[in-house]
Amino acid sequence: AQSVAQPEDQVNVAEGNPLTVKCTYSVSGNPYLFWYVQYPNRGLQFLLKYITGDNLVKGSYGFEAEFNKSQTSFHLKKPSALVSDSALYFCAVRDSGGFKTIFGAGTRLFVKA
Amino acid sequence: SAVISQKPSRDICQRGTSLTIQCQVDSQVTMMFWYRQQPGQSLTLIATANQGSEATYESGFVIDKFPISRPNLTFSTLTVSNMSPEDSSIYLCSVEGDRDVDTQYFGPGTRLTVL
Repeated sequence: AQSVAQPEDQVNVAEGNPLTVKCTYSVSGNPYLFWYVQYPNRGLQFLLKYITGDNLVKGSYGFEAEFNKSQTSFHLKKPSALVSDSALYFCAVRDSGGFKTIFGAGTRLFVKA
Repeated sequence: SAVISQKPSRDICQRGTSLTIQCQVDSQVTMMFWYRQQPGQSLTLIATANQGSEATYESGFVIDKFPISRPNLTFSTLTVSNMSPEDSSIYLCSVEGDRDVDTQYFGPGTRLTVL
């Protein structure tokens, strides 16, 4: 069975500092990995994904994520946080052989000015 | 990516009534997904709906409580039946991308409050 864990309920960072939101996963086959962001009172927006290829993937709004197969991790990063990045972030995983996407519990990011 | 709209965007309903949520996509899609997001929590898949066939429900969700229609390749409805306060959630419609079918895209959601 596939699963995804986001170990931090909340991450606090000062504006201009780098940010990391952690995610680890478990799948039986090759993983498809995703990050989504949810702003208040809005639906989920797709940020980026890893399917295959380069372990470092770049996405929207300056975010990137690094796939680490040995650690089964897919941490979300941004070199310089903005106050507008404050939102709820979801990591998600899908088995390459299936169609269901499983979401983590979410991590709330607060960026302080 | 597909443009997805949902109606209503929010509603406040009385216990014991039913609400039908509509999901419209601007392109034809094979699979549509309905999720529930309870306050402050993650997304839980309710069911997967393919056009022309019965929806496939996840464990813990049943057709009598959450009937789904999928009359064509651009539209689906989810009904929340005989509602109770525990049904208060955000209900999200999702589809696979038309060019990147491995990625799901989401509608804006329907915020339901049951009194």
